[in-house]
Amino acid sequence: KQEVTQIPAALSVPEGENLVLNCSFTDSAIYNLQWFRQDPGKGLTSLLLIQSSQREQTSGRLNASLDKSSGRSTLYIAASQPGDSATYLCAVMVQGAQKLVFGQGTRLTINP
Amino acid sequence: GAVVSQHPSWVICKSGTSVKIECRSLDFQATTMFWYRQFPKQSLMLMATSNEGSKATYEQGVEKDKFLINHASLTLSTLTVTSAHPEDSSFYICSAQRLAGASYNEQFFGPGTRLTVL
Repeated sequence: KQEVTQIPAALSVPEGENLVLNCSFTDSAIYNLQWFRQDPGKGLTSLLLIQSSQREQTSGRLNASLDKSSGRSTLYIAASQPGDSATYLCAVMVQGAQKLVFGQGTRLTINP
Repeated sequence: GAVVSQHPSWVICKSGTSVKIECRSLDFQATTMFWYRQFPKQSLMLMATSNEGSKATYEQGVEKDKFLINHASLTLSTLTVTSAHPEDSSFYICSAQRLAGASYNEQFFGPGTRLTVL
């Protein structure tokens, strides 16, 4: 059974810092891995999707990497801003079933 | 492109009543739609997978007679919470997967529906 773990559960940093969020998964048989952002009481905003054949994806200040063999992904946020404060969720799509399995999320707070 | 809507965005109902939530893919056809549930400060848990024209597949522990799913067209899936109870209060989110083409294995998420059962 696929399990996804995100570390840390919560992170608070001053504005302007670069930071890394971690995601690990137990089964490397995945189609893709996706990072989402969720603001309180809102739905999901897709940030980056990495196909299983890819190593990384970049969008603006965000960079996500994928090491399928070791079951790890990182989300790198450069020059953090207060508007980046949200919960970040990592999810993997399981091969065959095409189901998404989510991690518990990292609650990020950027302090002005 | 790839916009998914949900209606209503929030609903309050009395215990014992039924509530229907709609999930629509607005600008693409979706062979498969997914229904998730999220409790406060927790992650999303998949409830069921819905394929157009066939019965939904429910995850272990999800009561299919309580959470009725209908996927009547390639752009619409509905979730009906029957005889709702306070413990059914939660945030329900749907997602849709494209029929084909680019990003065929990517799920696009709706904005969610907050259900409160009194």
